[in-house]
Amino acid sequence: KQEVTQIPAALSVPEGENLVLNCSFTDSAIYNLQWFRQDPGKGLTSLLLIQSSQREQTSGRLNASLDKSSGRSTLYIAASQPGDSATYLCAVGPRAGNNRKLIWGLGTSLAVNP
Amino acid sequence: DGGITQSPKYLFRKEGQNVTLSCEQNLNHDAMYWYRQDPGQGLRLIYYSQIVNDFQKGDIAEGYSVSREKKESFPLTVTSAQKNPTAFYLCASSIGPVQETQYFGPGTRLLVL
Repeated sequence: KQEVTQIPAALSVPEGENLVLNCSFTDSAIYNLQWFRQDPGKGLTSLLLIQSSQREQTSGRLNASLDKSSGRSTLYIAASQPGDSATYLCAVGPRAGNNRKLIWGLGTSLAVNP
Repeated sequence: DGGITQSPKYLFRKEGQNVTLSCEQNLNHDAMYWYRQDPGQGLRLIYYSQIVNDFQKGDIAEGYSVSREKKESFPLTVTSAQKNPTAFYLCASSIGPVQETQYFGPGTRLLVL
């Protein structure tokens, strides 16, 4: 059974710092992995999607990597800003088949302090 | 302006009452999903629909019902059989299979009076 873990649960950093958020999964037979952002009381916004054949994806100051063999993905945020404060969730997409759901981590709550 | 809308933003349910949460999308996506989010728990899938007039139970379907009569609409009814309905409900859609990028609505917070 696939399990997704995000550590730490909460993180507080000063503005301008580069930081890494972690996502671990137990079954390497994945289709893809997605990173989302959620602001308090709001819906989720998709940030990056990495296919199982890819090693990384970049969007602006965000870079997500994927290492299937070790069951890990990282989200790198460069030059963090107070506006980056949010909860970041990762979700693993199953390989094609009858399993029709993403497997979600609990998220990392990030606070970037001015 | 394409996207997903959910209404209402807040919903209050009395004991024994059924309530319906609305979800509409104009992204022309085939698949739609309903999730429940509780503090300290991950997103849990209630129901999903891959195509019009078809839907499947997720992990926590008991006490909920859905319909998919139109491609753009996927309403969720919280029935009186759902004994602990207080939660944040999120609707999402994707262009195709569940593995594709999911786009989320702003959510509905359901509270019990």
